[in-house]
Amino acid sequence: AQSVTQLDSHVSVSEGTPVLLRCNYSSSYSPSLFWYVQHPNKGLQLLLKYTSAATLVKGINGFEAEFKKSETSFHLTKPSAHMSDAAEYFCVVSGYSSASKIIFGSGTRLSIRP
Amino acid sequence: ETGVTQSPTHLIKTRGQQVTLRCSSQSGHNTVSWYQQALGQGPQFIFQYYREEENGRGNFPPRFSGLQFPNYSSELNVNALELDDSALYLCASSRSGIQETQYFGPGTRLLVL
Repeated sequence: AQSVTQLDSHVSVSEGTPVLLRCNYSSSYSPSLFWYVQHPNKGLQLLLKYTSAATLVKGINGFEAEFKKSETSFHLTKPSAHMSDAAEYFCVVSGYSSASKIIFGSGTRLSIRP
Repeated sequence: ETGVTQSPTHLIKTRGQQVTLRCSSQSGHNTVSWYQQALGQGPQFIFQYYREEENGRGNFPPRFSGLQFPNYSSELNVNALELDDSALYLCASSRSGIQETQYFGPGTRLLVL
């Protein structure tokens, strides 16, 4: 069985400061992991994905995430927040089986203070 | 390449009615997945279609059904609508394989009264 937990429903940071959005997963086999962003009234956009290659994954807009198997975590980070980063972020887990379910986390709303 | 499109953008139905939502996949993609996103929640996987066959299903009752056509476009049908079916319905297309990136459409917002 697979599951994903986003540890914070809301994160607020000041512009120019680092961003950390936390995600823990559970999977009975090596998962694929994704981070998606959803801006208000816009579709979901892929930020980055992990598929068993390098454990540090770089994505768009300066975001990156590190796969830590020992901690079952896939936290999303960005060194310096920008006002345009304000959005809802979703961590997603899926397995290798074609019949596997694709599981979205409950989301983390990121707010940026000027 | 054209992106994923969905129609209609908004829809209002009453309890007990049936609804059909449509999705055109991105060029070169043969896999379509459907999700339900209730207000304030993450998307929930409904099912996936690959080459016109259902290829995985989430915890949704049989009144949620789908089709995929030879051009890889897809329909989501929901029978006997309930108030809790009110949500944003998202379609995503991808190349085959569970590791492939999914490209999402803007969604159809369904309100059941």
